[in-house]
Amino acid sequence: AQRVTQPEKLLSVFKGAPVELKCNYSYSGSPELFWYVQYSRQRLQLLLRHISRESIKGFTADLNKGETSFHLKKPFAQEEDSAMYYCALNNRGNRKLIWGLGTSLAVNP
Amino acid sequence: NAGVTQTPKFQVLKTGQSMTLQCAQDMNHNSMYWYRQDPGMGLRLIYYSASEGTTDKGEVPNGYNVSRLNKREFSLRLESAAPSQTSVYFCASSGAVLGTEAFFGQGTRLTVV
Repeated sequence: AQRVTQPEKLLSVFKGAPVELKCNYSYSGSPELFWYVQYSRQRLQLLLRHISRESIKGFTADLNKGETSFHLKKPFAQEEDSAMYYCALNNRGNRKLIWGLGTSLAVNP
Repeated sequence: NAGVTQTPKFQVLKTGQSMTLQCAQDMNHNSMYWYRQDPGMGLRLIYYSASEGTTDKGEVPNGYNVSRLNKREFSLRLESAAPSQTSVYFCASSGAVLGTEAFFGQGTRLTVV
C-alpha cells in the first residue's frame, strides 16, 4: 500500500539546535516526494521537492531509497521555523498526493 | 498573481443547513482537490478532479458533493451540515508536469453547531 509515515506528532527543540523531521514512505515505483510547511493560521506551501535537491530556508531533505526515507533537516533551528510540516508523496498514476499526518515543530528560545 | 482563492474564510452553520465552498485557480492547472484538516489527522482528501469534467471520491467523501464548473473552478457542497464536518477546508490545485507542486488556498474555517 502507498503510505507516508511521519512518526513524530510533535518535535520540540531549542533555538540553534539541529532538527530532523522524519518521513518514511511506501511506494511501488520511483517516488516523487515533497515537504510542505504550514505556519500558524496560514495556507500550506511547498518547502522542498526531492527532484530539485535544493535548500530552502536552510532546510534540506535527501531521498534515501534504501531506507525509503525523506527526512527533513536543518543544522541550526530558528524560532521562525516553528510550524506544521507535512511530508507528501505524489502518486504518479492518478496524481493524488498522499500525505503524512504532519509533525508540529516548536523551536524554543 | 492570485493563485488559489477560496471563499468564505469563516463560516458558522447550524446542523442541517447547506452551503457551498467556492474555489478558483488562475494557474491553468488540470487537477484540483478539496481537503479537510483536523487536529491529529493531517490532511484528508474529500474529492478531487483530475481534469475539467471529471471528479472522483477521496478518503472521506460522505456528506459532500463537488462540481468542477470549468477548468478554473471547483466547488464543495455540504447538503446537510453535521457537527462532524466542523473542520478547516483547503482547496488545492496542481499541474500535470512531473515534480509540480500543489498550491493551496488560504482555507475555510467551518463550524457546525
